[in-house]
Amino acid sequence: ETGVTQSPTHLIKTRGQQVTLRCSSQSGHNTVSWYQQALGQGPQFIFQYYREEENGRGNFPPRFSGLQFPNYSSELNVNALELDDSALYLCASSLLQGAEAFFGQGTRLTVV
Amino acid sequence: GIQVEQSPPDLILQEGANSTLRCNFSDSVNNLQWFHQNPWGQLINLFYIPSGTKQNGRLSATTVATERYSLLYISSSQTTDSGVYFCAAVDNYGQNFVFGPGTRLSVLP
Repeated sequence: ETGVTQSPTHLIKTRGQQVTLRCSSQSGHNTVSWYQQALGQGPQFIFQYYREEENGRGNFPPRFSGLQFPNYSSELNVNALELDDSALYLCASSLLQGAEAFFGQGTRLTVV
Repeated sequence: GIQVEQSPPDLILQEGANSTLRCNFSDSVNNLQWFHQNPWGQLINLFYIPSGTKQNGRLSATTVATERYSLLYISSSQTTDSGVYFCAAVDNYGQNFVFGPGTRLSVLP
């Protein structure tokens, strides 16, 4: 059984560019959530996908968007990158909503 | 939405000491988990514990759901226990984790 994997692990982008982060959920898990963790803070909820539909969204602007694919893997897209988007982006998967969740190793995004 | 607090914010211990980390939450929870964030940023699952008591080696956790708090106990601490410990909760109305601010633990040799 494979765990949650994220790619890439590190990324440097220029302000105004667009970025796509990827997450493969743990085998059999149909719920994927994305979180943003700024330096020195706890993770903040971005959105959740359940069976390919967005199922909840935190306080993030529309330039943060996502997808979930039939194999339950997921993408996080961020358009028009801003310096404040620099953070660790974490993906979590779970078998059911509210069930135990498992996190990937994260993608560290730096916007310059 | 639910609010999650953790204490203490920072903790420095000598190797071999015991410690207790506390998590308070403001509403009934559907899910509560404790995580250890390693230096590379990955959140490592410690306990899934919306209620009751669990033990895993030197670590144990107790959640008293009626009083809205959870405790994480670390016994005989080791330098590898250093890092940030997060408590995260999902309330009965939501589907996402709300994280506490974390407790930064430093275990000195």
